Amino acid sequence: ETGVTQSPTHLIKTRGQQVTLRCSSQSGHNTVSWYQQALGQGPQFIFQYYREEENGRGNFPPRFSGLQFPNYSSELNVNALELDDSALYLCASSSKIAGGRYYNEQFFGPGTRLTVL
Amino acid sequence: QQQVKQSPQSLIVQKGGISIINCAYENTAFDYFPWYQQFPGKGPALLIAIRPDVSEKKEGRFTISFNKSAKQFSLHIMDSQPGDSATYFCAAESRGNTPLVFGKGTRLSVIA
Repeated sequence: ETGVTQSPTHLIKTRGQQVTLRCSSQSGHNTVSWYQQALGQGPQFIFQYYREEENGRGNFPPRFSGLQFPNYSSELNVNALELDDSALYLCASSSKIAGGRYYNEQFFGPGTRLTVL
Repeated sequence: QQQVKQSPQSLIVQKGGISIINCAYENTAFDYFPWYQQFPGKGPALLIAIRPDVSEKKEGRFTISFNKSAKQFSLHIMDSQPGDSATYFCAAESRGNTPLVFGKGTRLSVIA
């Protein structure tokens, strides 16, 4: 186990609804990255949070947003859900030091399986 | 544009055999190449990683071979076991500059 936890485990929503997913990073880690993994595909980078600010974003629309809290835990929010948003959402925690260099590897949580009907 | 291409999509290997998964990348700025193992219902777990200043790295039964000029790297699993049956992802990044970019995955089945 990596020490990265995510909640909920599974979620079913309907089109147009909004969803919030949560991630608790591993102790000592200050960076959280979110990934979307569609069925049969590799994870795709959504965005990263470092020191409570967005620090890089992948090719995802603005309806995907996030937050990082002072304890380094994080939320992923998705508005106006679409059928194609059905996927496994993964968060990964790591540590960055000043200058953007990684101190250690990214450790992934078990993911939240989101189904949009 | 797929920055990391992985093959094969699926692989069946006899117990005790060698499993080989290949990846090719395009961005010459990538300087870190990890392999992840993912079991159903779990998140990806780091298996082994390599930097481009070495051509090979071995950890137990797992070996990464890296060819910088060809922009290719591969994972070799020696003495494959049924417990190795999982999906394997190669990935790449320019540490501190770009996020991890993953291949599409290889579903490995090791049969007795």
